[in-house]
Amino acid sequence: QVQLVESGGGVVQPGKSLRLSCAASGFNFSDYTLNWVRQAPGKGLEWVAVISYDGDKKIYADSVKGRFTISRDNSKNTLSLQVDSLRGDDTAVYYCVRAPLTTVTPYYLDFWGQGTLLIVSS
Amino acid sequence: DIQMTQSPSTLSASVGDRVTITCRASQSISIWLAWYQQKPGKAPKLLIYKTSNLEGGVPSRFSGSGSGTEFTLTISSLQPDDFATYYCQQYDLSWTFGQGTKVETK
Repeated sequence: QVQLVESGGGVVQPGKSLRLSCAASGFNFSDYTLNWVRQAPGKGLEWVAVISYDGDKKIYADSVKGRFTISRDNSKNTLSLQVDSLRGDDTAVYYCVRAPLTTVTPYYLDFWGQGTLLIVSS
Repeated sequence: DIQMTQSPSTLSASVGDRVTITCRASQSISIWLAWYQQKPGKAPKLLIYKTSNLEGGVPSRFSGSGSGTEFTLTISSLQPDDFATYYCQQYDLSWTFGQGTKVETK
């Protein structure tokens, strides 16, 4: 079955960096676009970034542009999110999410991981 | 940016009730709308895509309709497993979610 397992979250000081990871299994990883979506505690969902099936195309939300970097390794079935210059409003559960297409065209999101919690606090 | 507004924010209902949640877009998104269900501490789950297409395994009591700027999610007969928060998401231009509608027990 499809599995997306995020890791790497934790407590980080403002201004610092962290790398979130997502391990995928149960489907042909290199055939799918992948996204990061976040949810601040008690709040709604916010799309963060998307990467095409081959890693060539990436799009970011304005709120994270220039600070976050999405990447993927199709040989290891892993998705990553490098988060730099962290701020308090980056505190959220970060979900690794699959979209059933290969391009970065906006689309619906058909399978979500369980998420990893990132807390930015001094 | 396209804004998505759901109503109501909270809905109190009983098992067996017909439940309708509305999602309005700040500009036309054609039929590019999805609905998700989220339970506390869990990841969202896709219910409906392209306004009215049921994702595999989703019970037929869920249905979606609409076009342009106004959309609805209907649960024809609310079941105990349906108490959750529901989000709409547009994917016509970028990705934007509504603020959520919590369906709680009356």
